[in-house]
Amino acid sequence: AQSVTQPDIHITVSEGASLELRCNYSYGATPYLFWYVQSPGQGLQLLLKYFSGDTLVQGIKGFEAEFKRSQSSFNLRKPSVHWSDAAEYFCAVGAYNTDKLIFGTGTRLQVFP
Amino acid sequence: DTGVSQDPRHKITKRGQNVTFRCDPISEHNRLYWYRQTLGQGPEFLTYFQNEAQLEKSRLLSDRFSAERPKGSFSTLEIQRTEQGDSAMYLCASSRGQGAYEQYFGPGTRLTVT
Repeated sequence: AQSVTQPDIHITVSEGASLELRCNYSYGATPYLFWYVQSPGQGLQLLLKYFSGDTLVQGIKGFEAEFKRSQSSFNLRKPSVHWSDAAEYFCAVGAYNTDKLIFGTGTRLQVFP
Repeated sequence: DTGVSQDPRHKITKRGQNVTFRCDPISEHNRLYWYRQTLGQGPEFLTYFQNEAQLEKSRLLSDRFSAERPKGSFSTLEIQRTEQGDSAMYLCASSRGQGAYEQYFGPGTRLTVT
């Protein structure tokens, strides 16, 4: 069955430090992969998505993610974190023949000044 | 693009009461989705519509839950005889199509059952 694992429940970084949030997926076919961000009281906003082609994808707010098929991973990165990046981050997997997204349990990012 | 809207944003109800939530998708989007998010978890798929047709329902959607999209525009999600376990954030999303198309999420309706 398809699933998404985000091993880190909570991450704390200093403002200006680099960031990597981990995501591993399990899916039999070629997956579509997404990273969403959720701020308190807000809905989910799409940061970036991978469907095919270049395995390094660029998103909004300076985020990027790399698809590694051999590791079944789609880790999210940012070279320099801003205090406004503090939020909950969700990795999700979908596929061409389904409409539902399968989400991970999320990683809460805390940023210290 | 005015975004996906949901109403109400918060609902407190007593166990056993019925509640109904509304979702207005982005106007040109033909697909509409409902998800449920409990504390500390990611959203879980409940059901989705293509226009007015309900095409898939999750096993999470018990008989007490019903969703409609009567004219292929807004959708309602009704929960009958609410239970404390129904307390959650109910999220609505819409998209232009399946698979690769982005799902745009609304702000959610937070339900508290006392």
